[in-house]
Amino acid sequence: RKEVEQDPGPFNVPEGATVAFNCTYSNSASQSFFWYRQDCRKEPKLLMSVYSSGNEDGRFTAQLNRASQYISLLIRDSKLSDSATYLCVVSGSGTYKYIFGTGTRLKVLA
Amino acid sequence: NAGVTQTPKFQVLKTGQSMTLQCAQDMNHNSMYWYRQDPGMGLRLIYYSASEGTTDKGEVPNGYNVSRLNKREFSLRLESAAPSQTSVYFCASREANTGELFFGEGSRLTVL
Repeated sequence: RKEVEQDPGPFNVPEGATVAFNCTYSNSASQSFFWYRQDCRKEPKLLMSVYSSGNEDGRFTAQLNRASQYISLLIRDSKLSDSATYLCVVSGSGTYKYIFGTGTRLKVLA
Repeated sequence: NAGVTQTPKFQVLKTGQSMTLQCAQDMNHNSMYWYRQDPGMGLRLIYYSASEGTTDKGEVPNGYNVSRLNKREFSLRLESAAPSQTSVYFCASREANTGELFFGEGSRLTVL
């Protein structure tokens, strides 16, 4: 089983739609969680960290469910510019190892 | 705002050749990383350096060596390149307070 698993997609959604991605992780000792965004042939960039109580940044909401070992990302009012691959990232307590999921592709259609 | 700089951006090698990928960061970060990215596999950690003077293996270290030359620089060396090492390589550094990783633009390596 992979340490971090994501549905590869693609998710094709119309502009203005709400879309959600999940990511599961296998190591219950994991402590830090992130969502990164990667545009085609570009480097990954941090979208947002994921906190235990959940957090929101504009149209983006991230949630953590430790009991079920998954994190989620909700995008509201999708824009064409949201088209990208979204990477789930997990780090263990006291380690510097950041493990990436394979990513979920999102295409927002006009 | 240079951030993380990788060189070269593109390289074609023949099987058995050696090369070094260079990475430098100007953000005074302690931790640095080398990842490779292949279609369908996501980013996989090759080596990381928690601080100057230390290096540790990641998920896929075989066929690679690293050097943490100083706080700024972390190089990745392929001693005898193989076609299986054809990939996009990313260097990253970690901001200690937030845990955010900052990536270079990537180095696209093809081994024939």
